[in-house]
Amino acid sequence: EAQVTQNPRYLITVTGKKLTVTCSQNMNHEYMSWYRQDPGLGLRQIYYSMNVEVTDKGDVPEGYKVSRKEKRNFPLILESPSPNQTSLYFCATADSHSNQPQHFGDGTRLSIL
Amino acid sequence: GNSVTQMEGPVTLSEEAFLTINCTYTATGYPSLFWYVQYPGEGLQLLLKATKADDKGSNKGFEATYRKETTSFHLEKGSVQVSDSAVYFCALSDHDMRFGAGTRLTVKP
Repeated sequence: EAQVTQNPRYLITVTGKKLTVTCSQNMNHEYMSWYRQDPGLGLRQIYYSMNVEVTDKGDVPEGYKVSRKEKRNFPLILESPSPNQTSLYFCATADSHSNQPQHFGDGTRLSIL
Repeated sequence: GNSVTQMEGPVTLSEEAFLTINCTYTATGYPSLFWYVQYPGEGLQLLLKATKADDKGSNKGFEATYRKETTSFHLEKGSVQVSDSAVYFCALSDHDMRFGAGTRLTVKP
């Protein structure tokens, strides 16, 4: 079964405390991306990766980092989280030659106090 | 730049009513167009897509036609069910991916 697994699903934390949201996929997809979903704004892309060791900024990369050391994993790192990063985050994947998300994780709700 | 505008919700309908959710787009190239659906507590799922003008995407009784002349991709369903209650996102893919703000649909028995 095709799966995109995000962890944690929910997290409440404080400003400045580094956190990592993991994303793992079992479909051998080359393309992975991170989005944040905010009311009235839809989904906005944070970062994406076309393949291992290849990452690029999306529309709202400020305050985030990513890495792609292996094909299956694409963690999202908030080095010093701030309250404006409180949001619902989704990881998504697509097979080669496509930037059109085919599979999404179930989301991670982050609250930064 | 590219953008997607969809009708604001929420939309509340009775079961078996006709559904239309409007979506218009702005793009410099020739994008592919999509509708995604998000059920409570889940990620988005691709509902249907169309890759060129006059194409009709369809799935689960939903339809949308790629209208280049009106730059629209409106989502329709002839008879909604309670299980269709969800948030619907229109999106386009050109050199990047753009999503609309989402429209929440609630269907009441």
